[in-house]
Amino acid sequence: DAGVIQSPRHEVTEMGQEVTLRCKPISGHNSLFWYRQTMMRGLELLIYFNNNVPIDDSGMPEDRFSAKMPNASFSTLKIQPSEPRDSAVYFCASSLGARDRPNYEQYFGPGTRLTVT
Amino acid sequence: AQSVTQLGSHVSVSEGALVLLRCNYSSSVPPYLFWYVQYPNQGLQLLLKYTSAATLVKGINGFEAEFKKSETSFHLTKPSAHMSDAAEYFCAEAPDTGRRALTFGSGTRLQVQP
Repeated sequence: DAGVIQSPRHEVTEMGQEVTLRCKPISGHNSLFWYRQTMMRGLELLIYFNNNVPIDDSGMPEDRFSAKMPNASFSTLKIQPSEPRDSAVYFCASSLGARDRPNYEQYFGPGTRLTVT
Repeated sequence: AQSVTQLGSHVSVSEGALVLLRCNYSSSVPPYLFWYVQYPNQGLQLLLKYTSAATLVKGINGFEAEFKKSETSFHLTKPSAHMSDAAEYFCAEAPDTGRRALTFGSGTRLQVQP
């Protein structure tokens, strides 16, 4: 398996521009997680999906952030408009578990390093 | 709310020395616990996990961790550090609710001196 795939690996954009980060989870996995990592705040969970449905988006910083999962093999995280404080590494992770037998083992993608100038 | 505490944001050891990275969890019920490793410019990789079986868990690259309920701890150890072990290590706890998201500690950066 190719693992979790994220694109782009690096993104540099100007303040005010729209940014879209993409994630392809491991085939067959039914949970998908978006994280943000910064030096100041460490690793933060932004949102996670189970069976393509958003379950917990309490970590999404503000309305400028939105995430979608239109199908089991694709998810996007969009920032509009972007600000310099959004500069971070964004990770996507996926896992497989059943309702009565959850599996919390997560597999992480390589991350997207976002720089907003 | 659940929390995972990693004592020491930076740990430095000499090559060949014992590695000890500390983690304390907060769950009041037997938890699922994990250690992840992050090498520079990479995503997190699972090192080992505890799922209520043996209290001493062996992982990849010679690492192991011991679950101690009385101390609410899950410290990570390796008898002899190698230069390639230099990375950031994260302890994580699975939720005691229906949520699926792990609670991660703040991470410990391990430096290995030659």
